[in-house]
Amino acid sequence: EAGVAQSPRYKIIEKRQSVAFWCNPISGHATLYWYQQILGQGPKLLIQFQNNGVVDDSQLPKDRFSAERLKGVDSTLKIQPAKLEDSAVYLCASSSRAGEQFFGPGTRLTVL
Amino acid sequence: GESVGLHLPTLSVQEGDNSIINCAYSNSASDYFIWYKQESGKGPQFIIDIRSNMDKRQGQRVTVLLNKTVKHLSLQIAATQPGDSAVYFCAEKDSSYKLIFGSGTRLLVRP
Repeated sequence: EAGVAQSPRYKIIEKRQSVAFWCNPISGHATLYWYQQILGQGPKLLIQFQNNGVVDDSQLPKDRFSAERLKGVDSTLKIQPAKLEDSAVYLCASSSRAGEQFFGPGTRLTVL
Repeated sequence: GESVGLHLPTLSVQEGDNSIINCAYSNSASDYFIWYKQESGKGPQFIIDIRSNMDKRQGQRVTVLLNKTVKHLSLQIAATQPGDSAVYFCAEKDSSYKLIFGSGTRLLVRP
């Protein structure tokens, strides 16, 4: 079974630029999550989708972060404009309903 | 690969010894707990879980202990191997099913 795919793996941008990350979950998984993992910390949930609807986005900085999952499969997370403190690894995970979460390898973002 | 964390608490053990990694959780209403292993350049990987109605659960070479009185969780790894070197996170779920990760511990296995 293929795992969660993410791209790009690494991204370096300057502050105030925009960036987008892509996630392809495990086939058949209805629930998709985006996490932010700052160096030295555990992952923090940014947004959770159930199919193409948002279940929880309480910790998403909505003034600069946006995410979508239009067809209930792939998802994109966008940051516009980026700040220095957005430097982190962005992890995507998927699960069947209320099941174990499987994580992708993450995208390491560096904001200069 | 990139480092998961540079300033994490570190546990260094000799290959073949047992390892014990501890975690304090915050929400007394949490009813489900998970241990994850994260290797450099990878996402967290599920190791073992435990529900709040249990105080011990065993897997292959791993045991999780839950003490709800003091809100403490531990992961025991028997006969630690070099492949066990990683950062370990505990996570808790409350009634909203949101995963809340604790701070990690880096496990280093000395050959």
